[in-house]
Amino acid sequence: KAGVTQTPRYLIKTRGQQVTLSCSPISGHRSVSWYQQTPGQGLQFLFEYFSETQRNKGNFPGRFSGRQFSNSRSEMNVSTLELGDSALYLCASSLEGQPQETQYFGPGTRLLVL
Amino acid sequence: AQSVTQLGSHVSVSEGALVLLRCNYSSSVPPYLFWYVQYPNQGLQLLLKYTSAATLVKGINGFEAEFKKSETSFHLTKPSAHMSDAAEYFCAVSGPRGATNKLIFGTGTLLAVQP
Repeated sequence: KAGVTQTPRYLIKTRGQQVTLSCSPISGHRSVSWYQQTPGQGLQFLFEYFSETQRNKGNFPGRFSGRQFSNSRSEMNVSTLELGDSALYLCASSLEGQPQETQYFGPGTRLLVL
Repeated sequence: AQSVTQLGSHVSVSEGALVLLRCNYSSSVPPYLFWYVQYPNQGLQLLLKYTSAATLVKGINGFEAEFKKSETSFHLTKPSAHMSDAAEYFCAVSGPRGATNKLIFGTGTLLAVQP
């Protein structure tokens, strides 16, 4: 089976712009979660989607949003970019989104905001 | 609230030496515990997980971890370090059963392996 894929791998944006990141989960996985990784804050949970519904959300401002499509692919959007949004954004998928399941991570999208 | 503490942001060992990476958790309910490894410019790869079956968990690449409830610990060990083990290691907690699958990560331990 193919692993979790994320596009694009690298992105450079300027402050105030918006960005959309894409994640394709492992075939058959219905849960997709997003994490932000920065040197200062480490790995932080953004949100989780299951069957096109957001089931859980982390402590991030409303500028961060996401969605999931019927084929389980997911996108996350960040509007009005700030310098502090520069980070590695990781997507992870699992079968049913149960806490004991393994989450499989993609390679990430590295976003640089100038 | 659940949390994870990883003691030692940097650990250096010699090739062939024992690897010990420390993780302590805080949880009011039986937790699920995970160790992930991250190589440069890559995502996270699961090494092993504890889901309330055996307390000694064996993972990939010769790593293992023991869940000790009395010490609230889940330390990662490998008997003999290899150069390819150099990477960043993250301990994470989720749970309880039926709740969110949100992973709460520790701050990570960067492992260096000296020849």
